[in-house]
Amino acid sequence: DIQMTQSPASLSASLGETVTIECRASEDIYNGLAWYQQKPGKSPQLLIYNANSLHTGVPSRFSGSGSGTQYSLKINSLQSEDVASYFCQQYYDYPPTFGAGTKLELK
Amino acid sequence: EVQLVESGGGLVQPGRSLKLSCAASGFTFSNYGMAWVRQAPTKGLEWVATISYDGSSTYYRDSVKGRFTISRDNAKSTLYLQMDSLRSEDTATYYCARHHYYSPYVMDAWGQGASVTVSS
Repeated sequence: DIQMTQSPASLSASLGETVTIECRASEDIYNGLAWYQQKPGKSPQLLIYNANSLHTGVPSRFSGSGSGTQYSLKINSLQSEDVASYFCQQYYDYPPTFGAGTKLELK
Repeated sequence: EVQLVESGGGLVQPGRSLKLSCAASGFTFSNYGMAWVRQAPTKGLEWVATISYDGSSTYYRDSVKGRFTISRDNAKSTLYLQMDSLRSEDTATYYCARHHYYSPYVMDAWGQGASVTVSS
């Protein structure tokens, strides 16, 4: 199975700040990568797929980039409602696998 | 509005069975592949099983193969997960999720989750 390593495991940022979360795959996943947001006590919600395609209804302050084995999620101008855990997921290879998550808190 | 509502969770003893259901609405259920994804307490997400739009193909993670069965009833817009020979490591919140129409294994809609606890 392809291993997905996320960093950092947690981070604290201020309102209005720009935040970047990294995800590294154990092998090339050819942009087959999605990002999900999970707010406390809620179910995950799709943010980004195909590494950089914004899912319908997701604010434009979220963006994804990367290629090969290295990918990132950027949140511009952090808002209070962005407090959540974020998970990357590869779907290039079977079985689909997730990163361990990044917990984002407000400073 | 897309809605996925799970039911059937609960406390069950090791070795026993449990069946989860997921009622779908707000979209044409028979057009989409569907999945179950679980999350152990304070842990990350783990894909469990997928079924094709018409039920003709099913896929499972190795640890549940032979114990879990995913199925669907398109006439009732309902997804199921039959879980047999349950183990303590199956304890988790189980989410029903819809596969993205154009990107298989991307989950673009999720239910609220059903809690399953396997304990004696």
